[in-house]
Amino acid sequence: DVKVTQSSRYLVKRTGEKVFLECVQDMDHENMFWYRQDPGLGLRLIYFSYDVKMKEKGDIPEGYSVSREKKERFSLILESASTNQTSMYLCASTLNLGSLYEQYFGPGTRLTVT
Amino acid sequence: AQKITQTQPGMFVQEKEAVTLDCTYDTSDQSYGLFWYKQPSSGEMIFLIYQGSYDEQNATEGRYSLNFQKARKSANLVISASQLGDSAMYFCAMREGSTGNQFYFGTGTSLTVIP
Repeated sequence: DVKVTQSSRYLVKRTGEKVFLECVQDMDHENMFWYRQDPGLGLRLIYFSYDVKMKEKGDIPEGYSVSREKKERFSLILESASTNQTSMYLCASTLNLGSLYEQYFGPGTRLTVT
Repeated sequence: AQKITQTQPGMFVQEKEAVTLDCTYDTSDQSYGLFWYKQPSSGEMIFLIYQGSYDEQNATEGRYSLNFQKARKSANLVISASQLGDSAMYFCAMREGSTGNQFYFGTGTSLTVIP
């Protein structure tokens, strides 16, 4: 079974703190993704990575950065957390097989910035 | 333009009845995949069903079926014999063959099954 794990289910941080969200997958997937989910807005792509050290901006990259030093691990970094980054963060991974393969999701991290 | 549109923010269905959740998509690719995910209140996203653009038959997985109408660019999810455990958010998504790396999600439909 594919497993995607995220470092925390719930996280509370203060404004201005640097925040690291970690995601690990165990199925040798090339592609990894970070989304944020807000009510009524669905899933919005922050960044994705299709290979080690490769990354591409998604729809809402502002205020975020990412790191992929190893194939199985994809980190999302909030350089200076702000209250408008309070949200649910979902990590996902998939094989690079054109349009054929689904994404597998982690359990999500509910981040609150106070 | 929105790649995936789900026009039903919320739906109610009686237990044991069937329900259809709407999804329309927009792409100029010939090769693409359509996916439905379920998200219970616990938050995890569960993959339900996949339809490829070249598949001639509608996809089915147990009580889930996908009503694929290519000319209309619609990919509606049909849940038969609804159960209380089907109450959740449902998301439609698309992956294009040309880009391959990105998935496009709709805004979701909240389904409530009434006993």
